[in-house]
Amino acid sequence: DQQVKQNSPSLSVQEGRISILNCDYTNSMFDYFLWYKKYPAEGPTFLISISSIKDKNEDGRFTVFLNKSAKHLSLHIVPSQPGDSAVYFCAASGGFDSWGKLQFGAGTQVVVTP
Amino acid sequence: NAGVTQTPKFRVLKTGQSMTLLCAQDMNHEYMYWYRQDPGMGLRLIHYSVGEGTTAKGEVPDGYNVSRLKKQNFLLGLESAAPSQTSVYFCASSRTANQPQHFGDGTRLSIL
Repeated sequence: DQQVKQNSPSLSVQEGRISILNCDYTNSMFDYFLWYKKYPAEGPTFLISISSIKDKNEDGRFTVFLNKSAKHLSLHIVPSQPGDSAVYFCAASGGFDSWGKLQFGAGTQVVVTP
Repeated sequence: NAGVTQTPKFRVLKTGQSMTLLCAQDMNHEYMYWYRQDPGMGLRLIHYSVGEGTTAKGEVPDGYNVSRLKKQNFLLGLESAAPSQTSVYFCASSRTANQPQHFGDGTRLSIL
């Protein structure tokens, strides 16, 4: 039973425009959410996180929005750059006995075109 | 500046063979994790450890064993490899439960 879902397997965006990646979750006990970026043949790299006490967190070109009532989060990348072409994973953890265990979405492949 | 190092990077095994994947971190992190990633799926947790000498089962533990004899090392063992264990394996570590996990570059394992 997949508790974190990324329904868009791929996204193509023009350089300089905004990339919006979406993620939905089903477990209401999740209280910590992260986005990871992954290049081929490398491990995932942490990008940005948000706890459930916030609804927005910003770090440079990256902003994560959390809508707890809808169990939805999104990642905005502005402006998109060619180096942003990668697979982006949404992840979540929380609840009793979670010990930081992450549930991952299946990922969204982002391609930034010139 | 190594972070999390996984050994080996690639391996091909025959069904029934055994092997151990090594993960080493130099960040003095308490928590360590083993994940597997299969095509079209996100990473799934196999086993994890919340400190030296401790291990616990994750989401998909069957067919795997782990040990954490030293704080910096987390070993993943396959006692009798099966084709279904063909995957890319990632190790990760974090300082606490609610801090980002740092990942190694993965081990690509093929079972024939």
